[in-house]
Amino acid sequence: GAGVSQSPSNKVTEKGKDVELRCDPISGHTALYWYRQSLGQGLEFLIYFQGNSAPDKSGLPSDRFSAERTGGSVSTLTIQRTQQEDSAVYLCASSPSPGQGYEQYFGPGTRLTVT
Amino acid sequence: SQQGEEDPQALSIQEGENATMNCSYKTSINNLQWYRQNSGRGLVHLILIRSNEREKHSGRLRVTLDTSKKSSSLLITASRAADTASYFCATAGGSNYKLTFGKGTLLTVNP
Repeated sequence: GAGVSQSPSNKVTEKGKDVELRCDPISGHTALYWYRQSLGQGLEFLIYFQGNSAPDKSGLPSDRFSAERTGGSVSTLTIQRTQQEDSAVYLCASSPSPGQGYEQYFGPGTRLTVT
Repeated sequence: SQQGEEDPQALSIQEGENATMNCSYKTSINNLQWYRQNSGRGLVHLILIRSNEREKHSGRLRVTLDTSKKSSSLLITASRAADTASYFCATAGGSNYKLTFGKGTLLTVNP
């Protein structure tokens, strides 16, 4: 079956512009996660969705970052007024359940470069 | 914040040798997972060990967990050039779902 897909694979944007990153999780997976990987900070948790529950936004670095998940499937991560420090690889993952003991399946990531 | 810390940061070995990577963490966990990443893109899950387990095997991989020392090790036996990648440990704690990753070990296997 298809794995987690993300688009675009690469995005170059000018400072101050808004960007949208998309994630299609594995069909049937109820949990969806966004992480960010940058040279300085390593891999960081950003946000987590589970079913119809309120998302855990505790990892979002600022109010310029937001995410939504429509219909319990596709998710979009939006970064407003991008800054150079937002440059990173944004990774999406999904899992069958949020409970302990479940591996997360990662997409290939979106490499964001803010110039 | 980074919970796990991998050691060493980089490891270079010859094909056929064994590679051992270590991970230390700070808080109590429910499980610890190891992931592999090629070329800075998507991560691939390798193995998960629960907090009540001490050792687990999967093919050429062997993972140990010592909760008293808050540490884990990943052993890759009979390494191959294709094992060249970055390896990360990740812990799941009280929240169960969000993973906290270490900084990774870059493994280079020379043919």
